[in-house]
Amino acid sequence: GAGVSQSPSNKVTEKGKDVELRCDPISGHTALYWYRQSLGQGLEFLIYFQGNSAPDKSGLPSDRFSAERTGGSVSTLTIQRTQQEDSAVYLCASSSAGTSGFEQYFGPGTRLTVT
Amino acid sequence: KQEVTQIPAALSVPEGENLVLNCSFTDSAIYNLQWFRQDPGKGLTSLLLIQSSQREQTSGRLNASLDKSSGRSTLYIAASQPGDSATYLCAVRQGYGGATNKLIFGTGTLLAVQP
Repeated sequence: GAGVSQSPSNKVTEKGKDVELRCDPISGHTALYWYRQSLGQGLEFLIYFQGNSAPDKSGLPSDRFSAERTGGSVSTLTIQRTQQEDSAVYLCASSSAGTSGFEQYFGPGTRLTVT
Repeated sequence: KQEVTQIPAALSVPEGENLVLNCSFTDSAIYNLQWFRQDPGKGLTSLLLIQSSQREQTSGRLNASLDKSSGRSTLYIAASQPGDSATYLCAVRQGYGGATNKLIFGTGTLLAVQP
C-alpha cells in the first residue's frame, strides 16, 4: 500500500515569508508526527497528533510554528515569518496501535531552505 | 531527560564483514526501541522495532538486541554488502500513550561498506 507522502519535496523561501508543508499519512493510521532534521541538532520531535486528542506541541521551537490535522488524516505544518535557522528537512511519520506497537513509518521529507 | 547515543559515529568495513552498531540510552523506562536506516537525501526506513518486553528481533541479515536495564541496544548486520551503506539511527519511545509517543533519536552511525 502507499506509504507516508509529503509535499513539496523541496522548498526554497525568502526570510520572513510563511511556508506550509503537507503530510499524507498511511491510510488508517491514527497517529501522526512531525520531526525536524538539521545538521546541528540531529532529528528532533516537533508535534504529535493522536486521533481526536489534543496534540502534543511540546517540541515546537517557537510560536511561529503551528500544525493542524484535518479530518484525522492530512496534516499541514506552517512556519510563519521564516528564519534562516528554520532551514532543515521536515519529516512526517504515522503509526497505528495494535500489533505494530506504534511502529513509526516516515515520509521522504521536505527540504526547506530559507535564504 | 532521555539521551540517546550511538557509537561509532562512522564506520567503514570491507564487504562481507559482520558488524555491530551500538545504541545507548540514559532512561531505561522505554516502551520500545526502533532502528532505522537513512539513505542520503531520503527519509527514514524502519528496520526493526523491539518492544520493551523483548530481547531481540531479527529480519534477514539484521538482528537487533535490547538490554533495557543497562540502557543498550545493538544492531548486528551479517555479511555486509555495499547496499547496506547508509546512516543507521536508533530511537526510543518513552512510556505509553498520550504525549509520550514521540521518538527520541540517537545521533546516528554512518556506515560505508567497501566493495
